[in-house]
Amino acid sequence: SQQGEEDPQALSIQEGENATMNCSYKTSINNLQWYRQNSGRGLVHLILIRSNEREKHSGRLRVTLDTSKKSSSLLITASRAADTASYFCATAADYKLSFGAGTTVTVRA
Amino acid sequence: GAVVSQHPSWVICKSGTSVKIECRSLDFQATTMFWYRQFPKQSLMLMATSNEGSKATYEQGVEKDKFLINHASLTLSTLTVTSAHPEDSSFYICSARGGSPGLLNEKLFFGSGTQLSVL
Repeated sequence: SQQGEEDPQALSIQEGENATMNCSYKTSINNLQWYRQNSGRGLVHLILIRSNEREKHSGRLRVTLDTSKKSSSLLITASRAADTASYFCATAADYKLSFGAGTTVTVRA
Repeated sequence: GAVVSQHPSWVICKSGTSVKIECRSLDFQATTMFWYRQFPKQSLMLMATSNEGSKATYEQGVEKDKFLINHASLTLSTLTVTSAHPEDSSFYICSARGGSPGLLNEKLFFGSGTQLSVL
């Protein structure tokens, strides 16, 4: 079942700008993960944040988690054309992952 | 990172035939494998979860007799779409993880997906 809802559905930015996308979910979670998907390909894991963590960094990625609001955000700083992809949040509960609808990010050179 | 190989990448078949998709973990033991289905520009819908040596657990609304899942070894799971019809055309993706079944504070490793087109 799909639990996460992502916002915006699509995002177009200029290279060098930051991209921010949000994910909201409905039930309690063990952790929340962000994945990236290039068109017609599988998903690549970006970052995992546990339910007792509030913020996490990995390279140009910054993820926040607010369990009281049941929401998370993914920030990509200094975007590059190669960051063009769909980004999905996934919530872990009941021993499985449920994916959000995704945000399609287009980075213009 | 760990590698999951999914084969074939794409397949075209006639209506009524069966298609088998393989998912292999190349450098780790996949205690749990998941099969997802994805329609264009949409999210991944979990179809079933399989633990090695056990029967797959199907999500509500997924026909177990139509989508046969076998996870006979720690490195291989297969999804067979039986008597395929045009409405089964979709992008199918497998994912795998190691560790104890049921433990979920871990990331998943995904195959590259299989585009199935049923004529």
